Amino acid sequence: EAAVTQSPRNKVAVTGGKVTLSCNQTNNHNNMYWYRQDTGHGLRLIHYSYGAGSTEKGDIPDGYKASRPSQENFSLILELATPSQTSVYFCASGARQDTQYFGPGTRLLVL
Amino acid sequence: QQQVRQSPQSLTVWEGETAILNCSYEDSTFNYFPWYQQFPGEGPALLISIRSVSDKKEDGRFTIFFNKREKKLSLHITDSQPGDSATYFCAASAMGTGGYKVVFGSGTRLLVSP
Repeated sequence: EAAVTQSPRNKVAVTGGKVTLSCNQTNNHNNMYWYRQDTGHGLRLIHYSYGAGSTEKGDIPDGYKASRPSQENFSLILELATPSQTSVYFCASGARQDTQYFGPGTRLLVL
Repeated sequence: QQQVRQSPQSLTVWEGETAILNCSYEDSTFNYFPWYQQFPGEGPALLISIRSVSDKKEDGRFTIFFNKREKKLSLHITDSQPGDSATYFCAASAMGTGGYKVVFGSGTRLLVSP
């Protein structure tokens, strides 16, 4: 069974503060992804990675950075958080085109 | 530009009825179409998928019908159960520069009333 975990599960941040969302997968998948989910927009891709040391920009990368220090870990970094970044963030991993395994999500509120 | 569109945004059916969820796409290079099911408070999970070489895929009560010419597909849930109440995302995938590109629709929220 694929296992993707995220931390924290809930986060309240202040505008202008730095936020780091962490993701860990134990499936040895090469590919990892960060999405945000907002009502009416579905899942939108922020950053993704094809392996340790690589990060690529997705469809909405502005205001976000990503880090993939190892095969297992993929972080999403908000250097200067803004209220517009209030959302639910999902991490996913995958080895092939056909399946992405999602984590449980992190609910972020930026005040 | 929304490359994958879903309709309706929300759908209510009675237990035992067939729910029909629609999806359309624009990019003709998309060749793989997974449907994900998401329950409140959880991440999406793969439900069923189809490749563009097929026009139908069945898995129990879930069936995908695919029309490549019209760039449309639909998910049929027969004998709907209250436990099927969830949000369903249609996605489309294609090989892009450096790897696979996946685009998700905005989802259909399904409520099955007992």
